[in-house]
Amino acid sequence: GENVEQHPSTLSVQEGDSAVIKCTYSDSASNYFPWYKQELGKGPQLIIDIRSNVGEKKDQRIAVTLNKTAKHFSLHITETQPEDSAVYFCAASINSGTYKYIFGTGTRLKVLA
Amino acid sequence: EADIYQTPRYLVIGTGKKITLECSQTMGHDKMYWYQQDPGMELHLIHYSYGVNSTEKGDLSSESTVSRIRTEHFPLTLESARPSHTSQYLCASSDTVDSGNTIYFGEGSWLTVV
Repeated sequence: GENVEQHPSTLSVQEGDSAVIKCTYSDSASNYFPWYKQELGKGPQLIIDIRSNVGEKKDQRIAVTLNKTAKHFSLHITETQPEDSAVYFCAASINSGTYKYIFGTGTRLKVLA
Repeated sequence: EADIYQTPRYLVIGTGKKITLECSQTMGHDKMYWYQQDPGMELHLIHYSYGVNSTEKGDLSSESTVSRIRTEHFPLTLESARPSHTSQYLCASSDTVDSGNTIYFGEGSWLTVV
């Protein structure tokens, strides 16, 4: 079945450094790739997304890149701040008419002050 | 900002009790979902709905049931709670316009069965 692999599972960076989280998907028909940030005790919040007709998208300190050929997409956070500490999930749409998503297993990001 | 609400946020109940977790969204989304998540872990889809009177089982087997009588409301029920049901339950919704079915989550309901 379809799956999404996410790496690393934990990531610690110094404040001000960059953080990169990578995901690989298996369904070649996937065309929508959102990223979510989940803080402790809260639900996941959409932070950025990308569609298959775009290779890169940026929103201030956050960027996402997509390589359709390799079925890879990555989240890049620059100038990290302590408030970026959270669990990040990637997801890929399943285009089998079900309107469902496959989520990655999550990356726990710690930004050290 | 997503307008999707879950109640209760936190619940501690005894084994064998019946519980209903409420979920409502005011965005007019036709698709709604329930995910189960242990703290900081993967999200597992347990139920979804494409619209009124439509419900389907998700990828993770669950003893819970759902109903979709109104577009905005998607409650989840456990007839007889057990300690193994202790988890966080996340409700979500999405639309079907060209925006790509962005899925929005509620804040979650933390269930502890003792």
